[in-house]
Amino acid sequence: DGGITQSPKYLFRKEGQNVTLSCEQNLNHDAMYWYRQDPGQGLRLIYYSQIVNDFQKGDIAEGYSVSREKKESFPLTVTSAQKNPTAFYLCASSIRGRFEVAQETQYFGPGTRLLVL
Amino acid sequence: EDQVTQSPEALRLQEGESSSLNCSYTVSGLRGLFWYRQDPGKGPEFLFTLYSAGEEKEKERLKATLTKKESFLHITAPKPEDSATYLCAVQARETSGSRLTFGEGTQLTVNP
Repeated sequence: DGGITQSPKYLFRKEGQNVTLSCEQNLNHDAMYWYRQDPGQGLRLIYYSQIVNDFQKGDIAEGYSVSREKKESFPLTVTSAQKNPTAFYLCASSIRGRFEVAQETQYFGPGTRLLVL
Repeated sequence: EDQVTQSPEALRLQEGESSSLNCSYTVSGLRGLFWYRQDPGKGPEFLFTLYSAGEEKEKERLKATLTKKESFLHITAPKPEDSATYLCAVQARETSGSRLTFGEGTQLTVNP
């Protein structure tokens, strides 16, 4: 079955620690995205990537880093600089992310809940 | 700046009691409006994409409509399994990478 997988489901971070959230897709999608969801708030875009070896900052990129070495994978690292990391993190993908292509649906993974010890 | 406002924040219905959820938006040229359903602790599940005013789409008990300023998600004769948070998002023409702007969602509870 094609889809998006995220791991782990729950992740605990100690103060000063960097942690990495995994996102893998087998949909052959070019574009991938990371969102953060807090209670009572809409999804906020952290980073997105339209093609391998390229990515752009979203609205709340500070304290986060990403890489896109393979089409299928888009890991997110939550660094120690992110002072309020507790949230539900969602990865999504879409067929193409190029500006000139119209109306592309984003499909989401199951999410990773990050908690601070 | 693109903005999406959903109302009400929460809605409780009895099974079979039809109602509508609202999504008001301001965007510099709409490329697409998206509806998702999200169950607690899970990722959003895609429901509909609407592209232009006057467009309507249906799926089982759900029907989405679009005007130039808002979208409605109509729920006809809901069942308890329709309980979830419904998210609305817009994609602007002047955007790169298919970015979406989300509303805060409407939490729907359908009581048996």
